Amino acid sequence: KAGVTQTPRYLIKTRGQQVTLSCSPISGHRSVSWYQQTPGQGLQFLFEYFSETQRNKGNFPGRFSGRQFSNSRSEMNVSTLELGDSALYLCASSPDTRDGYTFGSGTRLTVV
Amino acid sequence: DQQVKQNSPSLSVQEGRISILNCDYTNSMFDYFLWYKKYPAEGPTFLISISSIKDKNEDGRFTVFLNKSAKHLSLHIVPSQPGDSAVYFCAASGRTGSNYKLTFGKGTLLTVNP
Repeated sequence: KAGVTQTPRYLIKTRGQQVTLSCSPISGHRSVSWYQQTPGQGLQFLFEYFSETQRNKGNFPGRFSGRQFSNSRSEMNVSTLELGDSALYLCASSPDTRDGYTFGSGTRLTVV
Repeated sequence: DQQVKQNSPSLSVQEGRISILNCDYTNSMFDYFLWYKKYPAEGPTFLISISSIKDKNEDGRFTVFLNKSAKHLSLHIVPSQPGDSAVYFCAASGRTGSNYKLTFGKGTLLTVNP
């Protein structure tokens, strides 16, 4: 079966711009979570969506937002980009079981 | 506040020997623990998990041990192979309302030398 697809794979943006990342989950998975990975901080939880509703939220500023569509595809938006937002952004989908998380390959965002 | 801690950023072992990766947690509400493995330019992949009602779970060369009283878990890889070289993340899950959320550690880079 197809895995979790994240687009684009790489992105370079300028400080102050905004960016939208996309995640297509495994068919049938209704839960989509987003994580930020940086070298010093590991994987930090951004938010989780389930059936188009945000169900959990991490400790990130309001510049980070997301949404989920009726087909479970999810988008993450970061506004007013800062240099510190440079990171690998990972999306994981799940059939809502504890060990059912499958990660995508991520989007590498570089802010210059 | 780092609720899941992997205090060793890196570990180097010889092929064929045992690799032991450690993880500590602080939140008593965590009741399910997982290990993920990550290669560069790929997303993390699930390796093995353990429920808090157990103290050991085995899957082939991989064994996870849980010490609830010490809030400590470890992943043992025996024998270690060069293909095991990757970053290993410990994750913990606890109920938040009606659902669960994974909290990850910062990861340990394992290098297995031929």
